[in-house]
Amino acid sequence: QSALTQPASVSGSRGQSITISCTGTSSDVGGHNYVSWYQQHPGKAPKLIIYDVSHRPSGVSDRFSGSKSGNTASLTISGLQAEDEAYYYCSSYTRGTTLYVFGTGSEVTVL
Amino acid sequence: EVQLVESGGGVVQPGGSLRLSCAASGFTFSDHYMDWVRHSPGKGLEWIARVRNKANTFSTEYAASVKGRFTISRDDSKNSLYLQMNSLEVEDTALYYCTRGGFSYGFGLADYWGLGTLVTVSS
Repeated sequence: QSALTQPASVSGSRGQSITISCTGTSSDVGGHNYVSWYQQHPGKAPKLIIYDVSHRPSGVSDRFSGSKSGNTASLTISGLQAEDEAYYYCSSYTRGTTLYVFGTGSEVTVL
Repeated sequence: EVQLVESGGGVVQPGGSLRLSCAASGFTFSDHYMDWVRHSPGKGLEWIARVRNKANTFSTEYAASVKGRFTISRDDSKNSLYLQMNSLEVEDTALYYCTRGGFSYGFGLADYWGLGTLVTVSS
């Protein structure tokens, strides 16, 4: 089972919006709506920020939003802030040799 | 506050064994599915095992990469999750996270994570 494909790095200026893509196949991302996104700051545990493609857990800023089209899911961060600098990973439920597959991870830099 | 605290990591030789533990608090442990996820420089994040709750007969699932070598288990009386790792390989070197799963009709993964415990397999 191959990892989902994410851009290695994405950058933007404070206040701008950026979008991180997560490309899979019809067996994972494209096959259902169980796609999640996680934020990880260095030395910290990952944090769930989006689940079921577009739902935010309680307490997560509404500057984070998720969507999906075909085999590609996307995370958009609006009004980019310094604290958004982190690694972001997508994941998807799948059925194959594994139950879940993760993305390759994207480093977000705020310029 | 939900807390997941892993322990048991260390350095082990190829072919050796290790048992990881995860102490859970701040939620009704017995209600939830639990998963182990690992993170290595070479493979990135990788889901490796799940144990469901009593209502779902404590059923388990494994990634192909660990099936037959690793065993996930839980003790609801101790609010604890375990991962018995046998026949360890160099490729198993990673930071191992305990995570809570099973939300969203059982399909959700990792709404809470521990800080991880480091396993190094080296001769």
